[in-house]
Amino acid sequence: GAVVSQHPSRVICKSGTSVKIECRSLDFQATTMFWYRQFPKQSLMLMATSNEGSKATYEQGVEKDKFLINHASLTLSTLTVTSAHPEDSSFYICSALKGATGELFFGEGSRLTVL
Amino acid sequence: AQSVTQLDSQVPVFEEAPVELRCNYSSSVSVYLFWYVQYPNQGLQLLLKYLSGSTLVKSINGFEAEFNKSQTSFHLRKPSVHISDTAEYFCAVSIGAAGNKLTFGGGTRVLVKP
Repeated sequence: GAVVSQHPSRVICKSGTSVKIECRSLDFQATTMFWYRQFPKQSLMLMATSNEGSKATYEQGVEKDKFLINHASLTLSTLTVTSAHPEDSSFYICSALKGATGELFFGEGSRLTVL
Repeated sequence: AQSVTQLDSQVPVFEEAPVELRCNYSSSVSVYLFWYVQYPNQGLQLLLKYLSGSTLVKSINGFEAEFNKSQTSFHLRKPSVHISDTAEYFCAVSIGAAGNKLTFGGGTRVLVKP
């Protein structure tokens, strides 16, 4: 089946630094990707919808200046957590929509720990 | 807006025993329903989905779920679990058939014991 890869799978950073997480669709083109956040023992919460070549659409309550999303190509979307703080520590998951089939494929997730 | 409730956060079950994971949803419009599974250290994988037609849907690995509109439920069942079924299971709804903008439940962790 189709593969979506996230990198890095784990990252630890100091408070105040910025962290970039990549989401790649390895064997298909994805005009639309989604970014989710998952707190421990909680559900996945949709953060934003990323569309290739245009600005991301953020869900209510998600700070667009805090979580920068770039979807510069049909196979890559990036999420940058700017000036990260401990409360940003979480599990971030991306998914990519395979346009040809309308199927959604998820990455393995990236665990961010901010010290 | 839609919401999904998975009543059990964790379900321990012995190997070869049946298991049922409960999922209830709330929505003011018609929705499509999904179950995803997340094995340890892996991404979410679609297990099965209900879009239309028969209310009973089945996966290739023995799971099945039944859409009950009157009870707004989509419970997942398997008559006999294996150790390899140990995973986290997420129920989700979408107002689009592609399931692209999903609302997830809190997840149910299934631990299969020998």
